[in-house]
Amino acid sequence: SQTIHQWPATLVQPVGSPLSLECTVEGTSNPNLYWYRQAAGRGLQLLFYSVGIGQISSEVPQNLSASRPQDRQFILSSKKLLLSDSGFYLCAWSVSDIAKNIQYFGAGTRLSVL
Amino acid sequence: DAKTTQPNSMESNEEEPVHLPCNHSTISGTDYIHWYRQLPSQGPEYVIHGLTSNVNNRMASLAIAEDRKSSTLILHRATLRDAAVYYCILSPNNDMRFGAGTRLTVKP
Repeated sequence: SQTIHQWPATLVQPVGSPLSLECTVEGTSNPNLYWYRQAAGRGLQLLFYSVGIGQISSEVPQNLSASRPQDRQFILSSKKLLLSDSGFYLCAWSVSDIAKNIQYFGAGTRLSVL
Repeated sequence: DAKTTQPNSMESNEEEPVHLPCNHSTISGTDYIHWYRQLPSQGPEYVIHGLTSNVNNRMASLAIAEDRKSSTLILHRATLRDAAVYYCILSPNNDMRFGAGTRLTVKP
């Protein structure tokens, strides 16, 4: 069966510090991968998605970046965190079935930038 | 992009049916209708999806209007564990845009 791992579960970082959140998927090959952010009490905002190694599409201009160094690994990074980067970050994967595109989410990382 | 409209919140009594509506008047012929729900402090989980016909699974039923411009997620007997934010989403591509969803409160 397929599983998605996302870590850490919670993170407190000072403004201006770097960020690296990692997401890995097991039990499937060539998944589509996604990073979302959810501000408190709000809906999900799609940040990045990837259909293959090295292929990243960015949805929202910001000081975040994403990389996919391996087929089932998706990394969200920042060189300098802003207060506005606080939120709940979710990684998700789906099979490469464009029509159905059922997404499976990780447990999320709650980031607090102070 | 196609968009959906849902009520911000709904309330239900425990063990009663719940009908969660969603409007998607700009849906295209190839768009699938997906429903997810998000329990507090968790990632969203897939509930059900459909294209044209009504669908049933162990979690819920999905009723799709004949013109496909609206749909309804049906929870047949709400439990306290069903309290969550429910998202109705259209999936035309490798990109699903989650709106604010409907926050369902279940009263004992």
